[in-house]
Amino acid sequence: DAKTTQPTSMDCAEGRAANLPCNHSTISGNEYVYWYRQIHSQGPQYIIHGLKNNETNEMASLIITEDRKSSTLILPHATLRDTAVYYCIVRSSGGSNYKLTFGKGTLLTVNP
Amino acid sequence: SQTIHQWPATLVQPVGSPLSLECTVEGTSNPNLYWYRQAAGRGLQLLFYSVGIGQISSEVPQNLSASRPQDRQFILSSKKLLLSDSGFYLCAWIGQGGLSLHFGNGTRLTVT
Repeated sequence: DAKTTQPTSMDCAEGRAANLPCNHSTISGNEYVYWYRQIHSQGPQYIIHGLKNNETNEMASLIITEDRKSSTLILPHATLRDTAVYYCIVRSSGGSNYKLTFGKGTLLTVNP
Repeated sequence: SQTIHQWPATLVQPVGSPLSLECTVEGTSNPNLYWYRQAAGRGLQLLFYSVGIGQISSEVPQNLSASRPQDRQFILSSKKLLLSDSGFYLCAWIGQGGLSLHFGNGTRLTVT
């Protein structure tokens, strides 16, 4: 899997948009970008994934640059409950790529 | 719907004692199964993954082992625990052709 780079930590004011960046400059053509988050003492939770196009669901939006070397997860209206570690990973959709490795992620702190 | 069960939620074991953590998945067949460990303040470390019954791939040499006796059952074991085995152990699965990884609620192991 391609390596990802994320900032160690970020702060965001409650009610504002949280924009979490991720660099994946070595991503290959068949690799998806995934985002997960882990609230303290819980298992990671899937948020969203994408290949080339921007994606949106009820939790967040994912913006992928045209060259696919970086992406941004957007939480449009952050709440205190969004405080968590956010992980960006890349992996291919099939074949023999069974390994899923996580980096250290970004600790997002939403402040009142 | 698919669910994943992990138990126990917390466990305190003395150094040198054996360990057995169990994970079961419901509502799917032939999933890929994973064991991760998270030490305090650290990221997720992939320990083992399995693509089928009896098929185990180890990522980190250590005194832990994994087994998959049934399609939807994944067991993490140790014959003799070390202090460094303390951590948060997470089981996860991904379905055949699926794209997102689903985690259990984890087991917090403290070796004393």
